[in-house]
Amino acid sequence: ETGVTQTPRHLVMGMTNKKSLKCEQHLGHNAMYWYKQSAKKPLELMFVYNFKEQTENNSVPSRFSPECPNSSHLFLHLHTLQPEDSALYLCASSQDGIGVRQFFGPGTRLTVL
Amino acid sequence: QQQVKQSPQSLIVQKGGISIINCAYENTAFDYFPWYQQFPGKGPALLIAIRPDVSEKKEGRFTISFNKSAKQFSLHIMDSQPGDSATYFCAVSDGQNFVFGPGTRLSVLP
Repeated sequence: ETGVTQTPRHLVMGMTNKKSLKCEQHLGHNAMYWYKQSAKKPLELMFVYNFKEQTENNSVPSRFSPECPNSSHLFLHLHTLQPEDSALYLCASSQDGIGVRQFFGPGTRLTVL
Repeated sequence: QQQVKQSPQSLIVQKGGISIINCAYENTAFDYFPWYQQFPGKGPALLIAIRPDVSEKKEGRFTISFNKSAKQFSLHIMDSQPGDSATYFCAVSDGQNFVFGPGTRLSVLP
């Protein structure tokens, strides 16, 4: 399924680096999401954008900064991360808002050294 | 605070058997109950979902049973196949929040 693509698929960065994750959806959806999936915790919803407006920020540290320039693209800017931020970061999209079917990308496996 | 409890954590089933995974929630405002399937190296994909106006929904070998009064719902996989081996997540949503369960790793033995 190529409806939601994410780049890069793998990323290794030091704690002082700045990097960005990119997500693109080709489904004509209006809502996009960032999730964090780590081995010891359930999928955690980080950010929600509905019609390019951020509607949810679930107490995410400021070292994660989302950007949604249009309804097809979503970025997650990373800076001064910690080793515990190492995880799989998943992007998803849905037709409208939360509470309906979400389509997930394959994720970016992030390792912070 | 764990809003969604899922069990078992892992499950091993013989080919052709029935796999059953359970979820329980607390907030009665939730009105959307999906199950997602995730294979290694892939993102989760919707398997089947139910709204609280029905008690059961079946799609092929997959069935959701929903008990509103008990605040529980379950996934039944009939005639389980090795290709069903994956991690399964239940989730709940009230239109404002979307919360996943911790997941169940299913292994179907050939």
